[in-house]
Amino acid sequence: RKEVEQDPGPFNVPEGATVAFNCTYSNSASQSFFWYRQDCRKEPKLLMSVYSSGNEDGRFTAQLNRASQYISLLIRDSKLSDSATYLCTSMNSGGYQKVTFGIGTKLQVIP
Amino acid sequence: GAVVSQHPSWVICKSGTSVKIECRSLDFQATTMFWYRQFPKQSLMLMATSNEGSKATYEQGVEKDKFLINHASLTLSTLTVTSAHPEDSSFYICSARITSGEQTQYFGPGTRLLVL
Repeated sequence: RKEVEQDPGPFNVPEGATVAFNCTYSNSASQSFFWYRQDCRKEPKLLMSVYSSGNEDGRFTAQLNRASQYISLLIRDSKLSDSATYLCTSMNSGGYQKVTFGIGTKLQVIP
Repeated sequence: GAVVSQHPSWVICKSGTSVKIECRSLDFQATTMFWYRQFPKQSLMLMATSNEGSKATYEQGVEKDKFLINHASLTLSTLTVTSAHPEDSSFYICSARITSGEQTQYFGPGTRLLVL
């Protein structure tokens, strides 16, 4: 089983729609979680951190469910510019803080 | 702030050539740098973790003698792909972390390597 699993998609949604992605992690010792955005043939860019209390930034809301070991990302009022691949990551605890990436979920927002 | 650069952005080379990729933190000192590799339609795979002034920690399955990492200063880490072969063609991305307590990684723009 992969340490971080995501549905690769693609998710094709109309402009203005609300879309949600889930990501599951297998390492219960994982301490921190992040969502990154990666545009085609570019490096990942940090979208937001995910904490137990949740995190909201404008149209984006991230949630963490430790009991079920999943992270979610909700995008409201989708824009064409939101089209990208969204990478879920986990970081383990302890001295060696390794970050593990999921395969990413591709989102295509359609006019 | 927190800008990371990589050089070169594109490399095309013949099989057997060694290729050196530089990763620099431009406006901060990075105690730790990471090297990733991403094949098409796959996730980023951590290759190694590099701490300034010490030997890199390689992930399982990554040959340390093939992928030489040097982290000589707090702003520069280099990855050398020795005797590159076509199967080494990939997107190589570095990232940097400011301090050991900082959890955010800042990514460089990546280097595309094509080995003919």
